[in-house]
Amino acid sequence: QKEVEQDPGPLSVPEGAIVSLNCTYSNSAFQYFMWYRQYSRKGPELLMYTYSSGNKEDGRFTAQVDKSSKYISLFIRDSQPSDSATYLCAMSVIGGAGSYQLTFGKGTKLSVIP
Amino acid sequence: DTEVTQTPKHLVMGMTNKKSLKCEQHMGHRAMYWYKQKAKKPPELMFVYSYEKLSINESVPSRFSPECPNSSLLNLHLHALQPEDSALYLCASSQELRTGGGNTIYFGEGSWLTVV
Repeated sequence: QKEVEQDPGPLSVPEGAIVSLNCTYSNSAFQYFMWYRQYSRKGPELLMYTYSSGNKEDGRFTAQVDKSSKYISLFIRDSQPSDSATYLCAMSVIGGAGSYQLTFGKGTKLSVIP
Repeated sequence: DTEVTQTPKHLVMGMTNKKSLKCEQHMGHRAMYWYKQKAKKPPELMFVYSYEKLSINESVPSRFSPECPNSSLLNLHLHALQPEDSALYLCASSQELRTGGGNTIYFGEGSWLTVV
């Protein structure tokens, strides 16, 4: 079993839909949970960062962490064609000398159709 | 301002060439990272520098040589690469991680490397 599981999609939704992206993980030591958006041929852009279980909202984006179920989600409300990208979940324990050691999911490719 | 700047954006090099990728951040972050990303795959960690010292080397071949001249700069020296090393090379930085939350890790736009 991989440490982080993420359905690679592709996922295609109409403009205005609510999008739900999910990852599950097996390592209980993960403490930090992130979602990155990556456009084609660009670097990953940080969208959301959470530490504890619960919800965190930022504009149209909501990140949800359930540590008891080892499950994280990203919700996108009122999806736009500009949201079309690959979404990567990432998790971390505390690495050496206080650095992050990220474990990524495979990424989900999202297309929002006008 | 959360910005990690990488140069060059694109690089084509022969297998006998020596070249370098450069990364700069001015966020006061003390950890800097090199990742490699192949098409349709997530980023893979190569190296971590913490307080300008190499703290993690993920068994990367010696044809890749990292250097951290100061707390804002990170280089990746390339020599005798193979075509399979063609990929997007990503630099990232973060503040020192502290239990209880805080900062997180930010990526640059990447350098596209093609080895011919």
